[in-house]
Amino acid sequence: DAGVTQSPTHLIKTRGQQVTLRCSPKSGHDTVSWYQQALGQGPQFIFQYYEEEERQRGNFPDRFSGHQFPNYSSELNVNALLLGDSALYLCASSLGRGAFFGQGTRLTVV
Amino acid sequence: SQQGEEDPQALSIQEGENATMNCSYKTSINNLQWYRQNSGRGLVHLILIRSNEREKHSGRLRVTLDTSKKSSSLLITASRAADTASYFCANLGGNTGKLIFGQGTTLQVKP
Repeated sequence: DAGVTQSPTHLIKTRGQQVTLRCSPKSGHDTVSWYQQALGQGPQFIFQYYEEEERQRGNFPDRFSGHQFPNYSSELNVNALLLGDSALYLCASSLGRGAFFGQGTRLTVV
Repeated sequence: SQQGEEDPQALSIQEGENATMNCSYKTSINNLQWYRQNSGRGLVHLILIRSNEREKHSGRLRVTLDTSKKSSSLLITASRAADTASYFCANLGGNTGKLIFGQGTTLQVKP
C-alpha cells in the first residue's frame, strides 16, 4: 500500500501564474482533503472532496479550486498566484476515522 | 478563527525525560487527534481520542482529554532523539470532516 502520494514534491512558480498539485489517496479511501501549511503554522483546511464533489470549504478565495476523479485521486488548482501562497500543501485521505497525510508539495512563489 | 492553541510553542528536553504538550480548542468535537511532523514533511497520525474518552495510551504516548475545559494533553514518556519533531493537535468537529489544527509544539530531544 503506497499510502497517500502527492506530486510534485517541490515547485517554484512566478507571481500571477497558475499551478496544479496532485494527490492519490490511500487505497480504499474515498475522501480527499487539502490543507495549506505556512511556515511555522499549523495546517489550514482548504476543501474536501467526496464522490467527485466539493463537500466542505475553508476560508480560501475562489482562486483555489479542486477536482476529484472517479478513481478518488484529486487535484488542487491555484490561479493568479501570490507571494503569500508559498506554503506546504498537504493532501489527506480518509475513510471514516483518522486521516492519512501525504508528504506534501512545497510551493514557492517568486 | 477556530484554530486552537498549543503550548508550549517550543520544548527542549534531554533524552529519557518526559515531554508534555497541551492543546486547547474552541469548537465542540467528535474526536481529537495528535499528529507528528518531521522537518516540514507530511503529518503522521499518532493517536485519536474520542469525545467520550478521558485518557488513551499507545506505546510511550498518553493522551488526555477534558471536554469541559476544551483541552487535551500529549505525554511522551522516556523521550528519544528520534522524537524530535513538531506535534499538532487537531479536532474533528461535528459532521464536517474538517480537521482544525493547533499551531503546534516544536519538540527537541537532545541525545
